[in-house]
Amino acid sequence: GAVVSQHPSWVICKSGTSVKIECRSLDFQATTMFWYRQFPKQSLMLMATSNEGSKATYEQGVEKDKFLINHASLTLSTLTVTSAHPEDSSFYICSASTSGGAPYEQYFGPGTRLTVT
Amino acid sequence: SQQGEEDPQALSIQEGENATMNCSYKTSINNLQWYRQNSGRGLVHLILIRSNEREKHSGRLRVTLDTSKKSSSLLITASRAADTASYFCATDARDRGSTLGRLYFGRGTQLTVWP
Repeated sequence: GAVVSQHPSWVICKSGTSVKIECRSLDFQATTMFWYRQFPKQSLMLMATSNEGSKATYEQGVEKDKFLINHASLTLSTLTVTSAHPEDSSFYICSASTSGGAPYEQYFGPGTRLTVT
Repeated sequence: SQQGEEDPQALSIQEGENATMNCSYKTSINNLQWYRQNSGRGLVHLILIRSNEREKHSGRLRVTLDTSKKSSSLLITASRAADTASYFCATDARDRGSTLGRLYFGRGTQLTVWP
């Protein structure tokens, strides 16, 4: 149980285009989803927290107009990287929680590798 | 920043040996978790230890928590080549200003187990 999927697993796009990444909780309802990015050999950095039906809460320094997050249902959240640039190339990981996020563990997706050329 | 710090950054051992990784953090927590990440993959939850617990076991894993020192250790006994991965500790934050459920990750320890 508690499986989270991400789609696509990898994507290559040209600079200036937008890319949408989906995060789905397959066998549970996720009241809260988290989006992280991870650069090579680095830790996970939280980008934003999204609760179903409400606006996402972005971490300081994360551009909300560039990284659009939608959490329209209890099983799906999407991250859209708008007007992507090479510096946005990274590993994006989502996680889902059933309890509002605390104090229980989050269930992580397998990640999406984004390469912007 | 509450971000934890793992030590060492990299650890290389032979199969059968034990691997110990340490994690330190800065502020009060409700719980601490350890995750494993294979290269280019998502995170796998290993174990959660609550702030009122001192030690926890799960198979070949042993986690300790010392809240007075704000540190935790992860011990993998009788390591196997398949244990090769990055290991991260993650803490939540007890203070009210933190986003509910927010996890603070350390930089990770890259463990390599040679056959």
